[in-house]
Amino acid sequence: NAGVTQTPKFQVLKTGQSMTLQCAQDMNHNSMYWYRQDPGMGLRLIYYSASEGTTDKGEVPNGYNVSRLNKREFSLRLESAAPSQTSVYFCASIEAGGPGEQFFGPGTRLTVL
Amino acid sequence: QKEVEQDPGPLSVPEGAIVSLNCTYSNSAFQYFMWYRQYSRKGPELLMYTYSSGNKEDGRFTAQVDKSSKYISLFIRDSQPSDSATYLCAMGDKGAQKLVFGQGTRLTINP
Repeated sequence: NAGVTQTPKFQVLKTGQSMTLQCAQDMNHNSMYWYRQDPGMGLRLIYYSASEGTTDKGEVPNGYNVSRLNKREFSLRLESAAPSQTSVYFCASIEAGGPGEQFFGPGTRLTVL
Repeated sequence: QKEVEQDPGPLSVPEGAIVSLNCTYSNSAFQYFMWYRQYSRKGPELLMYTYSSGNKEDGRFTAQVDKSSKYISLFIRDSQPSDSATYLCAMGDKGAQKLVFGQGTRLTINP
């Protein structure tokens, strides 16, 4: 059981470049989340997917798009990266949506120059 | 005003000390309260989970919830260097699809 996996682990982009962060979980969870973590800001929700086929905006969705490819996979896309998107990105999943334990991936460290 | 407030620290204490970490919140609908621990360059992991008011103990860790004051605490007894991490509080209301996290407190336990 790998839990929640994220790729890549590190990435450096130039302003205006695009990229997709990948997340997969093998726990048969229904709900998946994307967060960003910045110093002093805690975890801020970007987008979430309560179930396969649905996605909803979180607190800071601007500049991002998501795709719930299937029950296992939830990707986050930056269409035109900006320096303000330099952050650590975490994917998380939970068996059913709601205020329960979320299982987190190891994170992707993204730097936008 | 943020929905959940947490002092980011950093907090540095000697080994063996009792540590108190706290969060305040403004949403009276919150019923589920959690503490996550995050080691450096790792994802957060659930440490404690409480529902409504009261205390919950797990080994050296005690979580307290005071809904009347909208205040939650995590106590660590006999702190160890391995407890050095960032601690994030998180909370949600019944039926909510998502959690609201505090800013996290960075804790260092000095041998």
